[in-house]
Amino acid sequence: EAGVAQSPRYKIIEKRQSVAFWCNPISGHATLYWYQQILGQGPKLLIQFQNNGVVDDSQLPKDRFSAERLKGVDSTLKIQPAKLEDSAVYLCASSLGLVHEQFFGPGTRLTVL
Amino acid sequence: QKEVEQDPGPLSVPEGAIVSLNCTYSNSAFQYFMWYRQYSRKGPELLMYTYSSGNKEDGRFTAQVDKSSKYISLFIRDSQPSDSATYLCAMSGAGANSKLTFGKGITLSVRP
Repeated sequence: EAGVAQSPRYKIIEKRQSVAFWCNPISGHATLYWYQQILGQGPKLLIQFQNNGVVDDSQLPKDRFSAERLKGVDSTLKIQPAKLEDSAVYLCASSLGLVHEQFFGPGTRLTVL
Repeated sequence: QKEVEQDPGPLSVPEGAIVSLNCTYSNSAFQYFMWYRQYSRKGPELLMYTYSSGNKEDGRFTAQVDKSSKYISLFIRDSQPSDSATYLCAMSGAGANSKLTFGKGITLSVRP
């Protein structure tokens, strides 16, 4: 069974630029999550999708971050414009709907200069 | 007070040692308790989860939950160099829309 795929793996941008990350969840997983993991901290949930609907985006900085999951499969997370404090690893996870059985992708490491 | 507190690290032990990793929490609504292992430049990998209080064993790993004390532990027996990684505790409620709350993680190094 293929795992959660993410791309790109690494991205370096300058502040005020925009960036987008892509996630392909495990086949059949209806629930998809985006997390932000700052160095030395645990992952923090940004947004949760159930199929193509948003379940929780309470911690998503909506003035600069946006996410979509068209057709209920792949998802993209966008940051526009980026700030220095957005430097982090962005993790995508998916599950069959059980919050306690999430499978994570390798993450995208973003550096904002 | 943070919802989930994890013992600070890093932790270095010799091969074969018994390792104890601990977390405390403040939210009484947490019902599921997870341990994730994260190797460098990889995503977290679910090691095991426990529902409510009690113990759960899987090979060299044992998870313990004490809800009365709001305290969870992960024990690693006969630690191996391949166990060197960051270990994250995570917790959630039982509702359909519950979310995971993670600890900061502790980096473990097992010396050959």
